[in-house]
Amino acid sequence: KQEVTQIPAALSVPEGENLVLNCSFTDSAIYNLQWFRQDPGKGLTSLLLIQSSQREQTSGRLNASLDKSSGRSTLYIAASQPGDSATYLCAVRPHTGFQKLVFGTGTRLLVSP
Amino acid sequence: DVKVTQSSRYLVKRTGEKVFLECVQDMDHENMFWYRQDPGLGLRLIYFSYDVKMKEKGDIPEGYSVSREKKERFSLILESASTNQTSMYLCASRPGTSGVWTDTQYFGPGTRLTVL
Repeated sequence: KQEVTQIPAALSVPEGENLVLNCSFTDSAIYNLQWFRQDPGKGLTSLLLIQSSQREQTSGRLNASLDKSSGRSTLYIAASQPGDSATYLCAVRPHTGFQKLVFGTGTRLLVSP
Repeated sequence: DVKVTQSSRYLVKRTGEKVFLECVQDMDHENMFWYRQDPGLGLRLIYFSYDVKMKEKGDIPEGYSVSREKKERFSLILESASTNQTSMYLCASRPGTSGVWTDTQYFGPGTRLTVL
């Protein structure tokens, strides 16, 4: 059974720092991996989707990488801002039960001014 | 932009009541999903639907049912609400392009349900 883990569970940084969020998954048989952002009490917003054949994707100050063979992904946030404060979730689409996404429990990020 | 809307942001119900949560998407997506989100447990899939009148159980279907009579609308039904169903409920949709598993899943704003 596919399991997704995110470490750390919470992270607090001063504004302007570059930071890395980690996501690991137990089964490398995936179609893609997606990073989401969730603001308190709100739904999820898709940030980046990486296909299994890709190594990374970039959008603005965000860069996500995927190492499928080792079961790892990272989300890099450059020059963090207070508006980046949110919970970040990663999710994989496994080959088995491919309709579903399997989510990690998230990293809660606080960027202080 | 894809829009997924949910009928209520907050809902308070009594134990034993029948509860309907509605979700509507405006992008003609084939696939729709219901999740619940609880602290420490993350998002767990309750049910999903890949076409009108079609449904499949997710990881935690017990105590829930669903209905999809129209492509744009997917309803989650709690037949007899219980306190352990107090949670945040999130609806999502995704296009159903055959053979292309690269598409993004879009989420609604969520419904915070409290069962007293």
